[in-house]
Amino acid sequence: DVKVTQSSRYLVKRTGEKVFLECVQDMDHENMFWYRQDPGLGLRLIYFSYDVKMKEKGDIPEGYSVSREKKERFSLILESASTNQTSMYLCASSWRTGRGTDTQYFGPGTRLTVL
Amino acid sequence: AQSVTQLGSHVSVSEGALVLLRCNYSSSVPPYLFWYVQYPNQGLQLLLKYTTGATLVKGINGFEAEFKKSETSFHLTKPSAHMSDAAEYFCAVNYGGSQGNLIFGKGTKLSVKP
Repeated sequence: DVKVTQSSRYLVKRTGEKVFLECVQDMDHENMFWYRQDPGLGLRLIYFSYDVKMKEKGDIPEGYSVSREKKERFSLILESASTNQTSMYLCASSWRTGRGTDTQYFGPGTRLTVL
Repeated sequence: AQSVTQLGSHVSVSEGALVLLRCNYSSSVPPYLFWYVQYPNQGLQLLLKYTTGATLVKGINGFEAEFKKSETSFHLTKPSAHMSDAAEYFCAVNYGGSQGNLIFGKGTKLSVKP
């Protein structure tokens, strides 16, 4: 079974803190994704990566950065956390066959609260 | 912009009743279509997906969906709801992008009444 793990289930941080969310997958997937999920808005893509050290902006990259130094690990960084970044953050990974049919496998999510 | 629309943010059915969750996509080019389910406090799990071939797709837990090109729809159904089906359901599409990116609908929360 594919396993995608996220470093924390719940996280509480203060405004202005630097926040690291980590995601690890064990299936040797090329693609990794970070989404945020908010009620009524569904999932919105923040960043994705299709290879080590490669990254692409998604729909809402402002206020976030990412790092992928190893294939299995994809980190989301909030440089200076703000209250409007309080949300559920979901990591996903998938193969990269190039056909658009690849299933994304999701981690359990990190619920981040910024006070 | 390409999009996916889920009609109804909340759907409530009685146990044993038909479940119908609606999904429409916006492109004239048929995309690849996915349904995911999210149980409380969990990540998303794939229910089923349509890529090519048979338009009626069967998934896990008794769910199925039918791709209808003429209606640009991919509605999710289950003949008889069970209490354990209470969850949030997301329709997602890939419009053929090689990078595997998905566009998600806003989700439909399914409640099942005893």
